[in-house]
Amino acid sequence: QQQVKQSPQSLIVQKGGISIINCAYENTAFDYFPWYQQFPGKGPALLIAIRPDVSEKKEGRFTISFNKSAKQFSLHIMDSQPGDSATYFCAASVSFQKLVFGTGTRLLVSP
Amino acid sequence: DGGITQSPKYLFRKEGQNVTLSCEQNLNHDAMYWYRQDPGQGLRLIYYSQIVNDFQKGDIAEGYSVSREKKESFPLTVTSAQKNPTAFYLCASSARSGGTNYGYTFGSGTRLTVV
Repeated sequence: QQQVKQSPQSLIVQKGGISIINCAYENTAFDYFPWYQQFPGKGPALLIAIRPDVSEKKEGRFTISFNKSAKQFSLHIMDSQPGDSATYFCAASVSFQKLVFGTGTRLLVSP
Repeated sequence: DGGITQSPKYLFRKEGQNVTLSCEQNLNHDAMYWYRQDPGQGLRLIYYSQIVNDFQKGDIAEGYSVSREKKESFPLTVTSAQKNPTAFYLCASSARSGGTNYGYTFGSGTRLTVV
């Protein structure tokens, strides 16, 4: 029940396209859902986060869509660029406690 | 600038040797975490500490030990009992509460290789 399931494992998108990464959870007590971006050889960095009281949050080209009834949330990267090529992790937590991470999605944006 | 400093960036360990990875933060965060990342894999939690002088085992604590004597420091020792220690180790910290942008701050990692 503590797991966060992430898909796909890897994704190839053409430059200018939309990248979509999905996550699903079971624990209805989760109340915080961040996304992290990790470049090779670096630590993950917080990209964008959402609380369950809103269905969507947008920051620049990055959007989180949240579906509370389906217990799913997704990251959309609009106008994907080669510089977006990285590994993306979704995560969830209860009241700012220990984060539970998804298994990661390796995104490659082809020029 | 506030952040997390991990050292060394690269570390080589001989068979049967204990090594200690350093993690220091100046963010005044209460909680600190250690993760292991294998090539192409996700993040696996080794140990975490929510307050000084207290820590809990994560999912893969066997062969590792930690201490939390100061709020700023959370060193990880990889002992000889850890049979497959070659990996990328990440330290993170977080505040006890936060707004919408609450999250972990990660260090740049230590790449440990057994030689």
